[in-house]
Amino acid sequence: AQSVSQHNHHVILSEAASLELGCNYSYGGTVNLFWYVQYPGQHLQLLLKYFSGDPLVKGIKGFEAEFIKSKFSFNLRKPSVQWSDTAEYFCAVTLNTGGFKTIFGAGTRLFVKA
Amino acid sequence: SAVISQKPSRDICQRGTSLTIQCQVDSQVTMMFWYRQQPGQSLTLIATANQGSEATYESGFVIDKFPISRPNLTFSTLTVSNMSPEDSSIYLCSSQRPENTEAFFGQGTRLTVV
Repeated sequence: AQSVSQHNHHVILSEAASLELGCNYSYGGTVNLFWYVQYPGQHLQLLLKYFSGDPLVKGIKGFEAEFIKSKFSFNLRKPSVQWSDTAEYFCAVTLNTGGFKTIFGAGTRLFVKA
Repeated sequence: SAVISQKPSRDICQRGTSLTIQCQVDSQVTMMFWYRQQPGQSLTLIATANQGSEATYESGFVIDKFPISRPNLTFSTLTVSNMSPEDSSIYLCSSQRPENTEAFFGQGTRLTVV
């Protein structure tokens, strides 16, 4: 069965620390890859996406992610986090299984200490 | 981007009753989906709402429990039937762009069953 695994459920960092959130998926076909973010009290919104081309993609607010096909991974990074990055981060994969279906990882709650 | 409005935003319901959640998109979209986000968990796809035909349900979800309507390209409803406390969750409507499958979400409906 297709699945998306996020390695960390809770992460606590101090401001200016570097962030890397792991994401692996299990599906052998073509995928579109996403990271979504949910700030406290807000709805889910897109952080960044990968469809094709350069495997290193840049998103909003200084986030980037790297697609490594051989590892089925799409890890999210930010060199220096801010208190305002406190949120829940979801990795997601869209599969084409005759129709498009998006599967979400379990999410990672990031808390950044000021 | 698509703007998605859901109604109601929250409700408290008695067990055994049913609740219908409405989802309105501000533009015509081909793909609409319903997700459930249980407390502390990730998003689980309930079904794909197909315009003019029966919804496509994911494993573990059935039409009798979660009937879905999609009368046109901008509107869908999800009914949670014969509710029990286990149905307490956030229910999210989503649309996706067909060309890149980027997902947009409504603010969700927070349902509490007592």
